[in-house]
Amino acid sequence: EVQLVESGGGLIQPGGSLRLSCAASEISVSGNYMSWVRQAPGKGLEWVSVIFSDGTTFYADSVKGRFTISRDNSQNTLYLQMNSLRAEDSGVYYCARAPSGYDFYFDYWGQGTLVTVSS
Amino acid sequence: QSALTQPRSVSGSPGQSVTISCTGTSSDVGGYYYVSWYRQHPGKAPNLIIYDVTKRPAGVPDRFSGSKSGNTASLTISGLQAEDEADYFCCSYAGSFTFLPYYVFGTGTKVTVL
Repeated sequence: EVQLVESGGGLIQPGGSLRLSCAASEISVSGNYMSWVRQAPGKGLEWVSVIFSDGTTFYADSVKGRFTISRDNSQNTLYLQMNSLRAEDSGVYYCARAPSGYDFYFDYWGQGTLVTVSS
Repeated sequence: QSALTQPRSVSGSPGQSVTISCTGTSSDVGGYYYVSWYRQHPGKAPNLIIYDVTKRPAGVPDRFSGSKSGNTASLTISGLQAEDEADYFCCSYAGSFTFLPYYVFGTGTKVTVL
């Protein structure tokens, strides 16, 4: 059974940094197109970042220059390094998979990890 | 890049049909056949119910159907059931350009089963 398990969320002060992890089982993080999607409390979904199987990355304007998506193939884990955090970055962060570079949808999602940016 | 526009809420009685619209632009919904829909129950992760505008993943009942016309995509739920009460989000591919988001989500629609 495919599983994506996020971790690393928590309470952090504005301006601080946090690294989220997404451990995958039964699928290869390096062989898929993996994204981070976030959801502010009581709000809608917002796509944050994607990493292709060839390592190409894209970011939403709202996080460009502050967040970095990466992966560790040996650990089969996806990461999101978040720097210069702001209150508006608060929310649940999900990792999600698109099956290939020709598939533009998310068929597997993790359960999410909560990030709260507050002083 | 703004979020795709969805109605805030729709409602229907059990057995009825409801349709949720998702309006974007020619840079996203109108430009590609890559609209997907997700159902999200409270406190849970989103779940894929439609992809590539009209396709259903294995296990999703045929009560769910999708369509698109121009810059607007739609999700129809036929034979509404209690378990369909949830939030629904559309999502569109928006191209691999550095000045645009790769994906854009809709604002979300709360479906209430009366």
